Amino acid sequence: SQQGEEDPQALSIQEGENATMNCSYKTSINNLQWYRQNSGRGLVHLILIRSNEREKHSGRLRVTLDTSKKSSSLLITASRAADTASYFCATGDNAGKSTFGDGTTLTVKP
Amino acid sequence: DSGVTQTPKHLITATGQRVTLRCSPRSGDLSVYWYQQSLDQGLQFLIQYYNGEERAKGNILERFSAQQFPDLHSELNLSSLELGDSALYFCASSGAFSGNTIYFGEGSWLTVV
Repeated sequence: SQQGEEDPQALSIQEGENATMNCSYKTSINNLQWYRQNSGRGLVHLILIRSNEREKHSGRLRVTLDTSKKSSSLLITASRAADTASYFCATGDNAGKSTFGDGTTLTVKP
Repeated sequence: DSGVTQTPKHLITATGQRVTLRCSPRSGDLSVYWYQQSLDQGLQFLIQYYNGEERAKGNILERFSAQQFPDLHSELNLSSLELGDSALYFCASSGAFSGNTIYFGEGSWLTVV
């Protein structure tokens, strides 16, 4: 079974709104990563947050990590139609292995 | 462009047949991963190789096998194909300096008819 579980499975918003996706996991992690996948394409790494970090920013992306709750969130601010994609979280362990969740499908309507 | 190259991009074959998918990792990356993505099962980890040796095994069927060669390229062999094997197969790689970050290829679309 997958380590990370994203919530919600699908999200539909209007352009300009913020999108928040959550990821929960079960075991201890070394880091957590978020990836984006456009339909039928390969996954693209967005951001990595280490277990000793609580928040990280990259452009319009903001990732938080709460290790006590074993959860992470990805916030996309001022969304654009081009942000329409599936977003996956992946938990990384100390051995360098990453385990992916099932993803959140985001639709941004123009 | 992630630097990971997969061939072929598309493949249509009949049930019972065997196919080989090929992957060239990013330059210098020693780890190669194979994933299967289908509509009903999501992204499934199949297998990981590190510098030619099998490192981790996921939900890989016995009909499937993989290997990593001395030049670090990898092949995924799928045999006795069934309709349910139709999926997008991804290769990914990572290196000593990329931490847990994995770089994905664009995938090989396999359709079994």
